Amino acid sequence: EAQVTQNPRYLITVTGKKLTVTCSQNMNHEYMSWYRQDPGLGLRQIYYSMNVEVTDKGDVPEGYKVSRKEKRNFPLILESPSPNQTSLYFCASRSREELFFGEGSRLTVL
Amino acid sequence: AQSVTQPDIHITVSEGASLELRCNYSYGATPYLFWYVQSPGQGLQLLLKYFSGDTLVQGIKGFEAEFKRSQSSFNLRKPSVHWSDAAEYFCAVFRRFGNEKLTFGTGTRLTIIP
Repeated sequence: EAQVTQNPRYLITVTGKKLTVTCSQNMNHEYMSWYRQDPGLGLRQIYYSMNVEVTDKGDVPEGYKVSRKEKRNFPLILESPSPNQTSLYFCASRSREELFFGEGSRLTVL
Repeated sequence: AQSVTQPDIHITVSEGASLELRCNYSYGATPYLFWYVQSPGQGLQLLLKYFSGDTLVQGIKGFEAEFKRSQSSFNLRKPSVHWSDAAEYFCAVFRRFGNEKLTFGTGTRLTIIP
């Protein structure tokens, strides 16, 4: 089954404790992206990757890092999380113009 | 830069009634347009998309949308809503050059009353 898998789905952490949200897709897509969803703001792009070893900032990259060492994986790294990064995060991969989304990772930073 | 406006934050309709969710976009070229639905606690599911051709597009779950270039709109419609349609709906425009990203509107939350 074609899918985008994110882990963890839910996480509560404390300020400053580094965390990584993993994302994996099995569709051999070159393009992958991370979004965050906040009430009243819709989904905003954090980072994207056009292919392996090619990443770039989206609209709200501050406080985040990504890496793309292999095509299927695109982890999102929060080196020093802060409460304003409490949000619902979605990973997506793209086939032509259509985005396929993971089920989301709800992160709470205390 | 492209942008999407969904002017209705929250809409309430009765089950069986018709529905129209509004979406206006700003984009310098012919847009690729999408509607996604997000049920509570779920990810985003594609309802329908418009790339070119017939301006009335059919999607899943009985939804349709009409692209009107003159009004820069891509409104979503359903003739008769079901309780299971309660969800949040997002309109999005795809930027075809450079980042090639999808820009989302802020969403419309749909509540269905019996």
